[in-house]
Amino acid sequence: AQTVTQSQPEMSVQEAETVTLSCTYDTSESDYYLFWYKQPPSRQMILVIRQEAYKQQNATENRFSVNFQKAAKSFSLKISDSQLGDAAMYFCAYNTDKLIFGTGTRLQVFP
Amino acid sequence: DTAVSQTPKYLVTQMGNDKSIKCEQNLGHDTMYWYKQDSKKFLKIMFSYNNKELIINETVPNRFSPKSPDKAHLNLHINSLELGDSAVYFCASSLGQGYYEQYFGPGTRLTVT
Repeated sequence: AQTVTQSQPEMSVQEAETVTLSCTYDTSESDYYLFWYKQPPSRQMILVIRQEAYKQQNATENRFSVNFQKAAKSFSLKISDSQLGDAAMYFCAYNTDKLIFGTGTRLQVFP
Repeated sequence: DTAVSQTPKYLVTQMGNDKSIKCEQNLGHDTMYWYKQDSKKFLKIMFSYNNKELIINETVPNRFSPKSPDKAHLNLHINSLELGDSAVYFCASSLGQGYYEQYFGPGTRLTVT
């Protein structure tokens, strides 16, 4: 069975600094998709970034980028120039036919 | 303009009652989902429907019954509510499975007393 592990329950970062959130997963599939979702205090789930496993190039979306290491089954999220509005729970997720979420990392951003 | 809407947003009820949560999406998506987020924020899929057909049914008690009257609606009915059913329930939709982004509703916080 596929599993997703986020080993950092909480992280904190100073505004304008960079922070990296870790995610590892376990699967025997070769084709799959990986996502990072953000859940602010409003509890709305928002897609941050996604990566297709067959693509070697790391996905980027403005200040958000991933480090995808397929052999290591690692999918970390880097947030550059952190902003107060980035404070939220971040969930890593794996998908073939259904989304399997990690346990989340709570990110605090300090001014 | 709301893409995925759920009603109600909050639901407080007593053990043993039956309740329903409604979900509607206006995105023209074919696939809809129900997720449960527990008190530790862990999100787990419960059901998935594609074009009104049930395609994923995780190990969920029989007291939970989803119904999809059409592609745009997916409701969740819960019988004989228990304390452990207290959680936030999210509806989501997507164009298809796999690659496609899932758009989530605002969630329904269910509290069973």
